[in-house]
Order: sequence, then structure tokens, then C-alpha cells
Amino acid sequence: DIQMTQSPSSLSASVGDRVIITCRASQDITNYLAWFQQKPGKAPKSLIYAASTLQSGVPSKFSGSGSGTDFTLTISSLQPEDFATYYCQQYKSYPFTFGPGTKVDIK
Amino acid sequence: QLQLQESGPGLVKPSETLSLTCTVSGGSISGAIYFWAWIRQTPGKGLEWIGSISYNGNTHYNPSLQSRVTISADTSKNHFSLKLTSVTATDTAFYYCARQSVTYGTDYWGQGTLVTVSS
Repeated sequence: DIQMTQSPSSLSASVGDRVIITCRASQDITNYLAWFQQKPGKAPKSLIYAASTLQSGVPSKFSGSGSGTDFTLTISSLQPEDFATYYCQQYKSYPFTFGPGTKVDIK
Repeated sequence: QLQLQESGPGLVKPSETLSLTCTVSGGSISGAIYFWAWIRQTPGKGLEWIGSISYNGNTHYNPSLQSRVTISADTSKNHFSLKLTSVTATDTAFYYCARQSVTYGTDYWGQGTLVTVSS
């Protein structure tokens, strides 16, 4: 299985901050990388696929980059609705695997 | 707008079979390029992909669960199902159904359903 790691595991930030979350795959997944946002009691919401393409309706403050094994999710200006847990997932090979998540909370 | 809705018992006894159905509305599960997945989430293990079934009936399962899992689809009812046999307390989780594709990743999720394994 491809192992996914994320850093940091949690972070505290203020409204307006720029936040960067990193995701690393244990082997090359080219760009088969997705990012999700999950709020308490809710299902994950898809933000980005193919490492850098926003899902329809996702605001442009979210951006993704990377290829191969190293990827980043950037939130350009954190808003109150962005406080959540963020996960990456590889879908290059079965079984598809998720990172452990990064919890973003209010400083 | 595509919607997915999980249904099934919220409580299952140890050693019995967990059965869930995901009903899809606003789109057909017969559409090419898409496959239909089950994913579960626990506080301890995080998000775990269980398996998926494609539009033509091909299935893929997580090797960690393969011996106990069956995913099937009923195109006439536009739903797909999960069966997990011989459950234990470690199978207690939120279970989600989702749509996946190589093109768009996992783009739609159901709201999730909590299944507790307990006598």
C-alpha cells in the first residue's frame, strides 16, 4: 500500500493567515492526489483533484500543487469557515489511501 | 445535483454481517468512468477506503478487508451495497459511500452513517 503522511498534524492560525499543509506519498503517485475538508459531524468535502484542480464551486483561496511524492494545500487567507480538518488521498493505485489529517483551529 | 444516501442498521452484533446500501439520485450508477466506493472513518484509524465497484461491475477491495467484503450494485434501483461479514468492535465506524473516478478523484460523498458493533 502507498502510505500517505501529512504535516503538521495540527496548527493554530488566525483569520487572514496563509496556511500551508503538506502531504507526502511513500511512492510516486504522479498527480493522482486529492484534498478534502471535513468539519465536525459532516462528511468530507472534495476540494481539489489531480493535485491542483479545484472541484466545481470551491473558492479560489484554496490551491494545490506538487507531483510525484510531495504535495501542498494552501489556503491564501483563512476565514472562519475554513477551520476544519484537511485530508489528502492518493488514487494512483489500489487500495486508495488517505493521510492522517491536519486539524486547523483558531489561534 | 448528484446525491448519495447511505441506509442500513446502525447496530450490528459481533460475528454478524454488516449490510449497507447507498442510493444514488441525480445521476446514474451505470455511467462510464465512474466507480462507486465505500469508505469508513474511525477516530483511531482515520479514513479507510474499503472498496469500489465500477460501472461494468468490476470490484476492487482493500486487501485488509478483502476476505470479508462484498460490494454489489443494482442498476435497476440505482444503488450499490456493502456487506462486511464477521464483524467485531473494530468495525465500528462512520461508513460513507462516494463516487470516484480517475478523472475527478472522489467528488461526491454521502452524509455517512454510524454503525456500531455491539451485543
